[in-house]
Order: sequence, then C-alpha cells, then structure tokens
Amino acid sequence: DAGVIQSPRHEVTEMGQEVTLRCKPISGHNSLFWYRQTMMRGLELLIYFNNNVPIDDSGMPEDRFSAKMPNASFSTLKIQPSEPRDSAVYFCASSSDAIQETQYFGPGTRLLVL
Amino acid sequence: AQSVSQHNHHVILSEAASLELGCNYSYGGTVNLFWYVQYPGQHLQLLLKYFSGDPLVKGIKGFEAEFIKSKFSFNLRKPSVQWSDTAEYFCAVKVGTGRRALTFGSGTRLQVQP
Repeated sequence: DAGVIQSPRHEVTEMGQEVTLRCKPISGHNSLFWYRQTMMRGLELLIYFNNNVPIDDSGMPEDRFSAKMPNASFSTLKIQPSEPRDSAVYFCASSSDAIQETQYFGPGTRLLVL
Repeated sequence: AQSVSQHNHHVILSEAASLELGCNYSYGGTVNLFWYVQYPGQHLQLLLKYFSGDPLVKGIKGFEAEFIKSKFSFNLRKPSVQWSDTAEYFCAVKVGTGRRALTFGSGTRLQVQP
C-alpha cells in the first residue's frame, strides 16, 4: 500500500491567498484526520471524518479554515484567506474501524505564508 | 478534557546509554496509548501501542513501553540508544471507544551523540 498521500509537500504563498491541501487516505480506511504541527502548539487535531462525515471540527481555528471529504479516497483542507500565523506542517492521517485501530500519518504539507 | 504530559522536552544521550521518556495522561477511563516517532524531516511513524493485556509493550527498533494504570503513565524505554534514534518522540492517547482522535503530548526531542 502506498500509505497516506498528501499534496503538495511544500507550499509557499502570500498572505490573503487561498491554500488547498489534499489528502488521499489508505484504501479501506474510513476515518480521516487533519492535524497541524507548530513549534508553539505542537500537534493538534483540526478535524476528523468518519465515513466521509465530519465528526469533530472543534479544533478548526476559525472560519477561514474548511475541510471536505467528498468521497472515501479524498479530502481537502482549505484556508481562505491565509495568514502568516497559519504557517505550519499539516498532517493527514487515516485509520480503519478495526478493534485496535491505529492512525497512519502522511508525509505532511509544509506551509509557509509570507 | 484529557491531556498528555511529556515532561522531558529535550534529552541528550551518548550512544549505548539507556533511555526512558516519561508520558502521563489525565483521564480515568479506558485509554489506548501510543508512541510515535518523527525523524528529522519525516512524518510520524508508530513505534508501539497499548490497547489491553500485557502492560509491557514491545515495539519496533528495540523500544518498549510500560503502562502503569495507577500512575496514569506510559513511559518509553530503550536499553541502549543509537545515533539513528535521534528524533522527536510523541506520546498520544485515545480516550474510550467513541472519539477516534488522538491527543498528543508536546513531544520530546532526543539527541544521541556518537
């Protein structure tokens, strides 16, 4: 299996621009998670989906952030408009409904907002 | 809300030294516990996990962790570290059987000197 795939791996943009991060979970996994990693706040959950339905979006910072999962094999995290404080590494992870479910992480997208 | 504490933020060891990284969580119910490792520039990889049964869990690369319920702890250990163990280590907790998201500790940066 190719694992969790994220694109782009690196993104540099200017403040005010729209940013779209993409994630393809492991085939057969039905839970998908978006995390953000910063030096100040560490790893924090933004949102997670189960069977394509958002279950918990309490970690989404503000209305500038939105996430969708139109089907079982694709999710997007959008920031509009982006701000310098959004600069971070954004990780996507997926897991199955197995009893001992484990989250598998993608390589992350390193976002820099100038 | 549950929290995860990793009290060692930065640990420096010489090769062949023994390692113990602390992890404490604050939740009195059923928990699943994980240790992830993040090598420089890479994504998070699962080292080991505890769901039930033997509280001493063995993971990859010679790592092990012990779940001590009375102390709410899940410390990571390795008898003899190698330079290649230089990485950041994250403890994570999944609470109960409902919510699937992980709560991460702040991480411990391990530097192994040759």
